[in-house]
Amino acid sequence: EAQVTQNPRYLITVTGKKLTVTCSQNMNHEYMSWYRQDPGLGLRQIYYSMNVEVTDKGDVPEGYKVSRKEKRNFPLILESPSPNQTSLYFCASSFASGSGSYNEQFFGPGTRLTVL
Amino acid sequence: DQQVKQNSPSLSVQEGRISILNCDYTNSMFDYFLWYKKYPAEGPTFLISISSIKDKNEDGRFTVFLNKSAKHLSLHIVPSQPGDSAVYFCAAGGGADGLTFGKGTHLIIQP
Repeated sequence: EAQVTQNPRYLITVTGKKLTVTCSQNMNHEYMSWYRQDPGLGLRQIYYSMNVEVTDKGDVPEGYKVSRKEKRNFPLILESPSPNQTSLYFCASSFASGSGSYNEQFFGPGTRLTVL
Repeated sequence: DQQVKQNSPSLSVQEGRISILNCDYTNSMFDYFLWYKKYPAEGPTFLISISSIKDKNEDGRFTVFLNKSAKHLSLHIVPSQPGDSAVYFCAAGGGADGLTFGKGTHLIIQP
């Protein structure tokens, strides 16, 4: 089954304790992205990756890191989480722009993070 | 500056009637547009899209209209069903960048 998986689905942590949210897709997509969803703000892009070893900042990258060592994985790293990073996080993937597709992004189920 | 705007945070429609969700954009470089549907506790799922070379795309009960001169698109759902109750996100893209999403509209279908 074609899918995007995220782990963990729920996480409660404390300020300053490093954490990683994993994202994996099995559709051989070049493009992967992380979003956060907050009430009244919709989906905002954190980081994206056009392909392996190619990453770039989205609209709200502060406090986050990513890596793309393999095509299928795109982990989101919070080196020192703070309460304002409490949010619902979504990973998404798609074929890259210019492939002739509409770049339909497939989303993971979400990770609800609470930073105390 | 918000490049994709959904000015209605919520919309209530009676079952069987037409639901019309609106979206405005400011970036003239956007050349394709998508609508996503999101249920609570799930990730957004793709619903329908339209390229800037078209002004209408239809898929079953869902139709998206694009007015490029007005930088406006709308999603029509006819007839509306209880299962359509969800948050709908408008998204736009162009070039090598990813998608830019609106803030979403919560559609409530009343029996």
